[in-house]
Amino acid sequence: QSVLTQPPSASGTPGQRVTISCSGSSSNIGSNTVNWYQQLPGTAPKLLIYSNNQRPSGVPDRFSGSKSGTSASLAISGLQSEDEADYYCAAWDDSLNGPYWVFGGGTKLTVL
Amino acid sequence: QVQLQESGPGLVKPSQTLSLTCTVSGGSISSGGYYWSWIRQHPGKGLEWIGYIYYSGSTYYNPSLKSRVTISVDTSKNQFSLKLSSVTAADTAVYYCARLNYDSSGYYLDYWGQGTLVTVSS
Repeated sequence: QSVLTQPPSASGTPGQRVTISCSGSSSNIGSNTVNWYQQLPGTAPKLLIYSNNQRPSGVPDRFSGSKSGTSASLAISGLQSEDEADYYCAAWDDSLNGPYWVFGGGTKLTVL
Repeated sequence: QVQLQESGPGLVKPSQTLSLTCTVSGGSISSGGYYWSWIRQHPGKGLEWIGYIYYSGSTYYNPSLKSRVTISVDTSKNQFSLKLSSVTAADTAVYYCARLNYDSSGYYLDYWGQGTLVTVSS
């Protein structure tokens, strides 16, 4: 059971815009920034969005992130076949047991 | 370009200690400014953060694994290591090392190793 909640799957057709949600609580998303990672099949995760809405160098501007309250979203516009991957959100959690890094359970994106 | 590479046994017996090393190239651990992390991914599952270490040796661990985890650093070799004791089949996973970067807006894992599968089995 992941601390951050994501839909297990999402899909879209080429050219379409899709969004993936990430729901948390006041101890994580509500008080810390959110990152998004893309994991292509058989590879390591890759940083896609950091600090809620910042793109690392080399990440296309088709990818965008947002945060509101205790939820965050990743949007992918102009969907391409190579976007088919697993997407994970992550945030620091200021829990009573001590702060630690938490991830969502991941969303498998299928390009139809 | 920073690169990280995990190494270590791919098979560990139950109750033994899992030991992995991450070698960093393209940047020096001792230059500071970053935390060096371990994350794992159970087969077909999501990601679980294990802990991190700073070049000075300061560590921070996931509370759920804290009693079994030790992360250490060897700046002379530009490496950091993970030890997980008393392993069970539930510790079978792909283990990743990664760099934890931070700036005024927050923390993020910006470089990852390719990952190494560790299977716990007799």
